[in-house]
Amino acid sequence: KAGVTQTPRYLIKTRGQQVTLSCSPISGHRSVSWYQQTPGQGLQFLFEYFSETQRNKGNFPGRFSGRQFSNSRSEMNVSTLELGDSALYLCASSPGAEQYFGPGTRLTVT
Amino acid sequence: DQQVKQNSPSLSVQEGRISILNCDYTNSMFDYFLWYKKYPAEGPTFLISISSIKDKNEDGRFTVFLNKSAKHLSLHIVPSQPGDSAVYFCAASLTGANSKLTFGKGITLSVRP
Repeated sequence: KAGVTQTPRYLIKTRGQQVTLSCSPISGHRSVSWYQQTPGQGLQFLFEYFSETQRNKGNFPGRFSGRQFSNSRSEMNVSTLELGDSALYLCASSPGAEQYFGPGTRLTVT
Repeated sequence: DQQVKQNSPSLSVQEGRISILNCDYTNSMFDYFLWYKKYPAEGPTFLISISSIKDKNEDGRFTVFLNKSAKHLSLHIVPSQPGDSAVYFCAASLTGANSKLTFGKGITLSVRP
């Protein structure tokens, strides 16, 4: 089976812009979660989608949003980018308890 | 409030010896624990997990031990190999509720040839 794929792998944006990241889960996985990894905070949970519904949400501002499509593919959007949003954004898909991660999208905000 | 703690930022061991990576948690409601390995520029790779109804789970060179009363788990790698050099994350979750994983900050393992 193909693993979790994320596009793009690298992205450079300017403060105030918005960005959309994409994630394709492992075939058959209906749950998709998003995490932010930064050197200071480690891996932090953003939100989880299951069957096109947001099932859980972490402690991030409303600028961070996501959605899931009927084929389980997911996108996350960050609006009004801030310098502190520079991070590795990881997507994970899950058939149950274990989560399987994609390679991440490295976002740099200048 | 850090609910999952990996207090040692790094560990260095000799090839062939045992690596012991420790993890503590504060939320007694956690009932499922996982270890992930991460190489630079890659996403975390699932290694091994354990449910709170067990105290040990083994998979090849990897064994995870859980001490619920101490809220402590450890990952043993025997024998350690240079390819094991990576950052290891401990994670915890509440099964049946959702798929949210709470991660520790990771420990960098270096295995010396």
